[in-house]
Amino acid sequence: DVKVTQSSRYLVKRTGEKVFLECVQDMDHENMFWYRQDPGLGLRLIYFSYDVKMKEKGDIPEGYSVSREKKERFSLILESASTNQTSMYLCASSSGTGNSPLHFGNGTRLTVT
Amino acid sequence: AQSVTQLDSQVPVFEEAPVELRCNYSSSVSVYLFWYVQYPNQGLQLLLKYLSGSTLVKGINGFEAEFNKSQTSFHLRKPSVHISDTAEYFCAVSEGSGYSTLTFGKGTMLLVSP
Repeated sequence: DVKVTQSSRYLVKRTGEKVFLECVQDMDHENMFWYRQDPGLGLRLIYFSYDVKMKEKGDIPEGYSVSREKKERFSLILESASTNQTSMYLCASSSGTGNSPLHFGNGTRLTVT
Repeated sequence: AQSVTQLDSQVPVFEEAPVELRCNYSSSVSVYLFWYVQYPNQGLQLLLKYLSGSTLVKGINGFEAEFNKSQTSFHLRKPSVHISDTAEYFCAVSEGSGYSTLTFGKGTMLLVSP
């Protein structure tokens, strides 16, 4: 089974802090994704990457950046955390093209105070 | 860009009753369709997918979905639900050509009561 591991289950950070969310997958998948999930809004794509050192903006990239130095690891970075970034963050990976299902981690619930 | 509409934000149902969760997507030449389930405090997991072929797709835990191209719908059904089916269900679509990311609906919370 594919395993996608997010390093923190819960995080509490202060406004203005730089925040790193880490994600690791163990199935050699080419594609990795970061979503945020908010009640009533579903999942919204922040950034994705289809290869090492490659990154593409999703639907809501503002205030975020990403890093993919190794194939198995995809990091989401909040350069200066704000309260409106309080959310559940979900990492996912997949192989191949659009017909491949996503495999999700269990999420990181981030609270920015 | 694709869009996905899940018409019901919440569906309450009694145990052993049938259920249908509705999903419509914006039209495209070809699409891939997915249903995911999220149990409390967990990530999403794949229930079923439609890529091509038979329009009736069977998934895990007794769920099935029917692809209807003319109505651009992909409704999820289960003939008899259990308490353990209480979860949030997400419909998702990607375009069927080349590389495409998934677009998710806003989710439907299925609440099964005894």
